[in-house]
Amino acid sequence: DAGVIQSPRHEVTEMGQEVTLRCKPISGHDYLFWYRQTMMRGLELLIYFNNNVPIDDSGMPEDRFSAKMPNASFSTLKIQPSEPRDSAVYFCASSRPGTVSYNEQFFGPGTRLTVL
Amino acid sequence: LAKTTQPISMDSYEGQEVNITCSHNNIATNDYITWYQQFPSQGPRFIIQGYKTKVTNEVASLFIPADRKSSTLSLPRVSLSDTAVYYCLVGVSGGYNKLIFGAGTRLAVHP
Repeated sequence: DAGVIQSPRHEVTEMGQEVTLRCKPISGHDYLFWYRQTMMRGLELLIYFNNNVPIDDSGMPEDRFSAKMPNASFSTLKIQPSEPRDSAVYFCASSRPGTVSYNEQFFGPGTRLTVL
Repeated sequence: LAKTTQPISMDSYEGQEVNITCSHNNIATNDYITWYQQFPSQGPRFIIQGYKTKVTNEVASLFIPADRKSSTLSLPRVSLSDTAVYYCLVGVSGGYNKLIFGAGTRLAVHP
């Protein structure tokens, strides 16, 4: 299994530009999570999906952020317009159908976003 | 979701056993305790999960006392490659998979 795949691995853009981050979860996993990690705030959950449906987006910082999951094998996180404070590492994670006693999420390698 | 408290950092030497304790005084009846490990420039990786008493796998052991208000992650005979940040998380397991990561414990293993 290839694991969770994220692209791009690194993104450098200028303030005001649109940024799209992509994620391919592990096949068969029905939960998908987007996290953001910074030195100041640590690892924050932004949004998560179950069976392609957004369940909780309370962590999305503001309307400039949006996430979609058009099918079970693809999700995007979009920032429009981007700002320097959005600079962070963005992780995507997925987990398999909920077993009774399991909280294992599989994380991708992350996308390091720098907004100048 | 229960709040967790763990040391910000720890130091150890190769070959030693490392115990990282996490406090979760407000743990709920349905909550499980989960530990993740994160290496620099990588995403977190699941280590172990437990509900009560002791759980052991090929990587670590997790000790949970009867009152479940704390838990201890035990790493036997650490090596340099165990240098990482370790997160303790508490939450309902299974279908509701929302996990809240705290600051974690930064473990440094020295030669």
